[in-house]
Formats: sequence, C-alpha cells, structure tokens
Amino acid sequence: QVQLVESGGGVVQPGRSLRLSCAASGFTFSSYGMHWVRQAPGKGLEWVAFISYDGGNKYYADSVKGRFTISRDNSRTTLYLQMSSLRAEDTAVYYCAKARGMAVATYFDSWGQGTLVAVSS
Amino acid sequence: EIVLTQSPGTLSLSPGERATLSCRASQSVSSSFLAWYQHKVGQAPRLLIYGASSRATGIPDRFSGSGSGTDFTLTISRLEPEDFAVYYCQQYGTSAWSFGQGTKVEIK
Repeated sequence: QVQLVESGGGVVQPGRSLRLSCAASGFTFSSYGMHWVRQAPGKGLEWVAFISYDGGNKYYADSVKGRFTISRDNSRTTLYLQMSSLRAEDTAVYYCAKARGMAVATYFDSWGQGTLVAVSS
Repeated sequence: EIVLTQSPGTLSLSPGERATLSCRASQSVSSSFLAWYQHKVGQAPRLLIYGASSRATGIPDRFSGSGSGTDFTLTISRLEPEDFAVYYCQQYGTSAWSFGQGTKVEIK
C-alpha cells in the first residue's frame, strides 16, 4: 500500500527558507517520478514541481522557479522541497504526489495528506 | 501553459441525483491526457479518472469521464452521500501540469 507522509511545515517569516520532506513507502520509490502540489487557503490545487525517477529531470511552476528546488534521495525513499525567499503567497498546504510510471506525461495516482506552510511576520 | 476552466463553480444537488461537471481547456489536450480528482477537506486528493475516460482502481462505476480535445466532462450518475466534495480536472500532457479551479458539489 502506497504511503506518502509529508513533514517540515510550519510558520516562517517572509524571505526565510524552509525544507519539506515526503517519506515514501509501499512502492519502489526509485522507479517513479514525484510531484509537489499546493493549495492556498480558499483556493484550488496548484502544481509546484516535478522530479523524474532518477532526479535527472526537474520542472517548476513559474511562480516558484528560481526560489524552490525539488530533490530526492532514492536510498532514503524521500522527496524534498527546498523553499527559499518565501513570500506570503506561498502560504499553503503542500502535498507530495506519486506519478504513474516513469514517463513525464502522466497523472498522479497517490497523494499524501499534506503539510501546512504559513509565511507570516 | 494550458489553462483549464471548470463549470459550474458550485453544484447544489440531492443524493440520488445526477451530477455533470465540465472542464474546458484553452488549447487541445494531447492524447486526452486529462484526469479528474476528488478532494475532501482535510484529506488527500483522490484520483478518479485518467486518460479522460478510464476509471482508476477501486473507483465506483457511477463515476464516468468523457471528452477530447478541449472539452471534457465528469459525470456522477447517482450521487451518494460520500460524493459531496470538490472535483478538479488536470491536464498532464505537458511538463507544466495544470488544474482547473475546481467544482464544489454540495448537498442541496
């Protein structure tokens, strides 16, 4: 059974940094691409970043490009999101999601429960 | 970037009724790479439909998807109490994945 557990959220001041983690289990982590998706309060889902199964390909939403970095440690079956220069508009629940297969063009077949990031002074 | 527009924003229906949700894309979605997700407050989103019309594992057959190109539809044939939630469409045909803004299906 696929399990994705996010951690690392909290309250952070504007301009500071924060690193989110997503611990994966129940599948061969190193064989699947992974995503981060966020939901701001009262808003819909927004895709944030993708990393391929081997870390060789990474894509970012324009809203976070240059500020956020997605990475993974296949030996620890963990996905990361390093967030820097945080802004109030980055306040959201952040979800990690598993891609269906190795291909880039694929949907998300499992999601975590999310971790809340609040950017406030 | 492909922009997805969902309508209506809110659908007020009673259990047992039929729900029809629309998703329109700003440009053609390649190979019908269109998915639908259900999201309840405090829970993880749940994949319902992929490839525009294929049900995900364990999804009841009252959920069905259709469409191609720029116009897609999610239909719930008879609403059950557990179906009241927010539904999102998503395109995954490009490396800039995008979601619609969501349709809330609420109890009338």
